[in-house]
Amino acid sequence: QQPVQSPQAVILREGEDAVINCSSSKALYSVHWYRQKHGEAPVFLMILLKGGEQKGHDKISASFNEKKQQSSLYLTASQLSYSGTYFCGTEGGTASKLTFGTGTRLQVTL
Amino acid sequence: IAGITQAPTSQILAAGRRMTLRCTQDMRHNAMYWYRQDLGLGLRLIHYSNTAGTTGKGEVPDGYSVSRANTDDFPLTLASAVPSQTSVYFCASSPRGGKSNEQFFGPGTRLTVL
Repeated sequence: QQPVQSPQAVILREGEDAVINCSSSKALYSVHWYRQKHGEAPVFLMILLKGGEQKGHDKISASFNEKKQQSSLYLTASQLSYSGTYFCGTEGGTASKLTFGTGTRLQVTL
Repeated sequence: IAGITQAPTSQILAAGRRMTLRCTQDMRHNAMYWYRQDLGLGLRLIHYSNTAGTTGKGEVPDGYSVSRANTDDFPLTLASAVPSQTSVYFCASSPRGGKSNEQFFGPGTRLTVL
């Protein structure tokens, strides 16, 4: 079952912050985050393993709450280059396959 | 070449025709994957291979087959294409099969079945 992402879309002005949420109905082993720009392939951002680990990548960070089966992606002081569609991918149980959410479209404007 | 290549870039196909999408990687990654991407549905796994010689079914395998004769190549075949297989197809690879490995995606193939 696909994880649920929210919001589906968000428009920001440059310099504003955003949070994208990913929620699963299944117990999770890990959560992956990818960004896809229009007409391009998805690009890996980060992996979070169970244990509540929080990771950061420049001004993009994420958290993982395994008890709530949720992850959140935090974009701080957004830049025009952050525009794109963000996907979470979840791994659960014994499966070693990712199940992706339907994506959150982020647009950063001047 | 560096990374993952896919061919063709795009294709228009008549329903009922057979089609093979090609995927080649030069990173010596063990695991490879095929996804389809449809508007509003995100990326859905079709088939995967954790190592050469083995394959497995993903979420939406019906109408597709794969083979993994060697480490580098992972072709996806549509035996008899139908309009519902119109989609963008992405091939991906990761260093190892198993949990929590970053996936690297190819540029995609846009397929239209009429």
